[in-house]
Amino acid sequence: GQQLNQSPQSMFIQEGEDVSMNCTSSSIFNTWLWYKQDPGEGPVLLIALYKAGELTSNGRLTAQFGITRKDSFLNISASIPSDVGIYFCAGREDQAGTALIFGKGTTLSVSS
Amino acid sequence: GAVVSQHPSWVICKSGTSVKIECRSLDFQATTMFWYRQFPKQSLMLMATSNEGSKATYEQGVEKDKFLINHASLTLSTLTVTSAHPEDSSFYICSARNPLAGDEQYFGPGTRLTVT
Repeated sequence: GQQLNQSPQSMFIQEGEDVSMNCTSSSIFNTWLWYKQDPGEGPVLLIALYKAGELTSNGRLTAQFGITRKDSFLNISASIPSDVGIYFCAGREDQAGTALIFGKGTTLSVSS
Repeated sequence: GAVVSQHPSWVICKSGTSVKIECRSLDFQATTMFWYRQFPKQSLMLMATSNEGSKATYEQGVEKDKFLINHASLTLSTLTVTSAHPEDSSFYICSARNPLAGDEQYFGPGTRLTVT
């Protein structure tokens, strides 16, 4: 099925560094979501974005809904070891409750 | 809040047998649940959308007679993998649409299925 273009595929950073990842789509989305998945677990919702240009923070995480409605980014500031995991972007073209389209994920490794 | 559980968390079965996986929303009612499968180091692939009281909607390429979905109540959806084969081994994850949280999807912890 359709997938979003998420980059980078993986990142290896030092504890304390900032991280940025992004997703792009060929079609316009009404919603952008960012999830984190730990090994052997289901994804956990981090941030939800509903308006073009919206900038939302959740602790050290900040995400933005691109003004073209075709992209979104997620920033993590001052990374810590527990930030390790796979981050997925997800988008939705239609109204709330319909199926999500997922990116391929960004695997984050943090060394202390 | 917004807790979704799955049972079992892992299961090993023999080829040819059937396996049932349960997905429950513990603190909200979910009229819609979704079933995904995920292969190692890959993204989530939507298998089907499960609506309470009606037939599930399957994605293209997903065999509805092999992956039986039942959503009999507002808090429970089940996925039965019938006549399982080794290629069905995967990580199966459900999500539930939470009307108390903007209708966003909250995911269960997943079920690791291994078919020998």
